[in-house]
Amino acid sequence: DGGITQSPKYLFRKEGQNVTLSCEQNLNHDAMYWYRQDPGQGLRLIYYSQIVNDFQKGDIAEGYSVSREKKESFPLTVTSAQKNPTAFYLCASSRQGNLGKETQYFGPGTRLLVL
Amino acid sequence: GQQVMQIPQYQHVQEGEDFTTYCNSSTTLSNIQWYKQRPGGHPVFLIQLVKSGEVKKQKRLTFQFGEAKKNSSLHITATQTTDVGTYFCAGPGGYQKVTFGTGTKLQVIP
Repeated sequence: DGGITQSPKYLFRKEGQNVTLSCEQNLNHDAMYWYRQDPGQGLRLIYYSQIVNDFQKGDIAEGYSVSREKKESFPLTVTSAQKNPTAFYLCASSRQGNLGKETQYFGPGTRLLVL
Repeated sequence: GQQVMQIPQYQHVQEGEDFTTYCNSSTTLSNIQWYKQRPGGHPVFLIQLVKSGEVKKQKRLTFQFGEAKKNSSLHITATQTTDVGTYFCAGPGGYQKVTFGTGTKLQVIP
């Protein structure tokens, strides 16, 4: 099966705790993205990466960190500095960055809930 | 920064009625994409429009890109319950990234 996988599907975090969300793709895509979606809201870009070992902040990067050590993997860490982390997190990839002209393929998402 | 707004935010229609969502950008777009997100699911790519005034059809769905390339619309003819979900437009949002619209949530009443 080709596609994007995210794990876990549901994640519970205690206040003050860092958690890492996994995103893996086997589509051989260069670009990967992390979005946050709040109930009834659109998608807001957290971080994106066009190539291995390089990534850029999106619109709401504060309180988050990422790494891109491998082409197929783009994990997102939600740090304790993120004051309102409860949301639906979506990972996506595209063949290239290409100024938004490439189709984005989304993973199934991770729902993060802070206890 | 660029803003992409969609109207309406919510729409309830009786099954069989038509539905239209509108997407408006504060800046001219080189292209626009449309995605559908089913309840509890993830966005899935529907189509991309590139040319000014372009119209594309997918069965009961008709997509249009405005002449000035600052707006777009998605029209569904004779809605079905399978059309339920949130429809997002998306356009280039700066260096190598995409800006998603606010989305229109469609509910179809059987």
